[in-house]
Amino acid sequence: AQSVSQHNHHVILSEAASLELGCNYSYGGTVNLFWYVQYPGQHLQLLLKYFSGDPLVKGIKGFEAEFIKSKFSFNLRKPSVQWSDTAEYFCAVTRSNDYKLSFGAGTTVTVRA
Amino acid sequence: EAGVAQSPRYKIIEKRQSVAFWCNPISGHATLYWYQQILGQGPKLLIQFQNNGVVDDSQLPKDRFSAERLKGVDSTLKIQPAKLEDSAVYLCASSLDPPETQYFGPGTRLLVL
Repeated sequence: AQSVSQHNHHVILSEAASLELGCNYSYGGTVNLFWYVQYPGQHLQLLLKYFSGDPLVKGIKGFEAEFIKSKFSFNLRKPSVQWSDTAEYFCAVTRSNDYKLSFGAGTTVTVRA
Repeated sequence: EAGVAQSPRYKIIEKRQSVAFWCNPISGHATLYWYQQILGQGPKLLIQFQNNGVVDDSQLPKDRFSAERLKGVDSTLKIQPAKLEDSAVYLCASSLDPPETQYFGPGTRLLVL
């Protein structure tokens, strides 16, 4: 079965610090990769996605992620976080042949002003 | 563009009672998903519809859970009878034909006492 691992359960950092959240998946075939975010009191929304092409993907609000196929990883980054980036972040993966979205357990990010 | 609508937002029931959740997807989205998100975990797919047909219900506990999507638009998810371990947030999502981005509703938070 495919699994998605997010390395950090809770990350606390100060404004202007850099953020990197790890995501690894176990499936060896062709995959589609996503990062979703859930701000406090809001619903899940898409930050960015990778289907093919340039492995460095830019998303909304200054986030980017890099797909490294050899490492089965899709880490999320932001050079300088803001207080408003406080949220829960989920990595998710689908296989290209069944499109079933498998989520990681999520990482709670708390940004201190 | 209106998002995915879900109701109710919150529900508290006692074990062995029944409960139903409703979802209205984004207009024109052929694919509808129901997820269960237990506290501290990522969403887990319960069932996927393509128009009004079931594509995947492999993780749906069919002895107590049922879902339908009438006329390929709205959907209901029912639990009968509920167990304590069913306490979770139930998320509905919709998309154009896979593998397009899934858009999530606000969820229904269920507490089973």
